[in-house]
Amino acid sequence: NAGVTQTPKFQVLKTGQSMTLQCAQDMNHEYMSWYRQDPGMGLRLIHYSVGAGITDQGEVPNGYNVSRSTTEDFPLRLLSAAPSQTSVYFCASSYSWGRETQYFGPGTRLLVL
Amino acid sequence: GENVEQHPSTLSVQEGDSAVIKCTYSDSASNYFPWYKQELGKRPQLIIDIRSNVGEKKDQRIAVTLNKTAKHFSLHITETQPEDSAVYFCAASIGNYGQNFVFGPGTRLSVLP
Repeated sequence: NAGVTQTPKFQVLKTGQSMTLQCAQDMNHEYMSWYRQDPGMGLRLIHYSVGAGITDQGEVPNGYNVSRSTTEDFPLRLLSAAPSQTSVYFCASSYSWGRETQYFGPGTRLLVL
Repeated sequence: GENVEQHPSTLSVQEGDSAVIKCTYSDSASNYFPWYKQELGKRPQLIIDIRSNVGEKKDQRIAVTLNKTAKHFSLHITETQPEDSAVYFCAASIGNYGQNFVFGPGTRLSVLP
């Protein structure tokens, strides 16, 4: 199993551009989520999904959209990039939802100029 | 909402000594508390977790204790080694089914040879 994969590893955007961060898992996990990691602030939940077709907002959802059309994929869309979205983004998944071990992807480092 | 505090923010210990990291949480409904280790440039990885019906859990050199009444939990690493140097994050489950997590801001542990 590849586990949780993310692409790209690194991206530079200009303010106002849009892009999609890809996340996929091959473990048949129901639960998937997106976090952003900023220095000194730990990981903050952006959006999450408890199964295909079901998504919900986390702590910091503004400026981001998600969809879950398949169990395997959970892309994160930046609609109009802002410098405040410069961060490291991690996708995570777990077998089920509710007090389960989360497995993180390798991360995407995003720089918005 | 849930707030997770973590102390200290940085910790330096001599190789072979013990290290203790403490976290407090605010939501009494939280009932699952994982700890993650993140090496520089890598993804967070689960090292140990504890559920609210248990007061202590140990795995070789790592142990976690939970005091539900006081709403705090701690990570204990004994006989520290240089490879223990990393950033450690605590987290607490939130949501109606404990499906999401709030993370502490992290502790940077340095083990000096």
